[in-house]
Amino acid sequence: GAVVSQHPSWVICKSGTSVKIECRSLDFQATTMFWYRQFPKQSLMLMATSNEGSKATYEQGVEKDKFLINHASLTLSTLTVTSAHPEDSSFYICSARDESPLEGFDEQYFGPGTRLTVT
Amino acid sequence: DAKTTQPPSMDCAEGRAANLPCNHSTISGNEYVYWYRQIHSQGPQYIIHGLKNNETNEMASLIITEDRKSSTLILPHATLRDTAVYYCIVRVAGGLAGANSKLTFGKGITLSVRP
Repeated sequence: GAVVSQHPSWVICKSGTSVKIECRSLDFQATTMFWYRQFPKQSLMLMATSNEGSKATYEQGVEKDKFLINHASLTLSTLTVTSAHPEDSSFYICSARDESPLEGFDEQYFGPGTRLTVT
Repeated sequence: DAKTTQPPSMDCAEGRAANLPCNHSTISGNEYVYWYRQIHSQGPQYIIHGLKNNETNEMASLIITEDRKSSTLILPHATLRDTAVYYCIVRVAGGLAGANSKLTFGKGITLSVRP
């Protein structure tokens, strides 16, 4: 299957600072990417849908000014957690939609996740 | 997208078949059944998907009932590395509707494979 990478795999930052997480589709182009957040022992929660060349669409309850998403190319989306606080500590996972697979369906592939710890 | 219900957990012995059930009684005609799994501290991994016919790949088999209201994921010979949370998701796939659909994760079922 297609490969999606994330960088960094883990990061520790101080409260009040900003952190940028990168999501790359390595062997396919992705017009659409998604950002999820997962707290311990909970399921993945969709935060936002990132569309190349346009503004991201945020899920209800997600602060767009706090979680900045940029999808500047067909292979890269970034999530910046601004003014991070300890409650933002979580596992952030991106996924990318491959819109031209052989079977004619769009398939969604996930990155390995980024563990953010805010101290 | 329709919701799914799964038991919270199950276990099976290594080498035996693991049968993971999923109910999706409100599934629409154009919605597919997808299965993903998530091994601890990793991103979800795609396993298989189907519309109404049974499907099989190198990882698993998917059995969908004739009325499409439920399905079963079968891992034919479970190994310790199959211990994970398995998510059953229904969504529209393909075309404009598919492009606008999202993968919504429920709580999934935790499969524990014992030696």
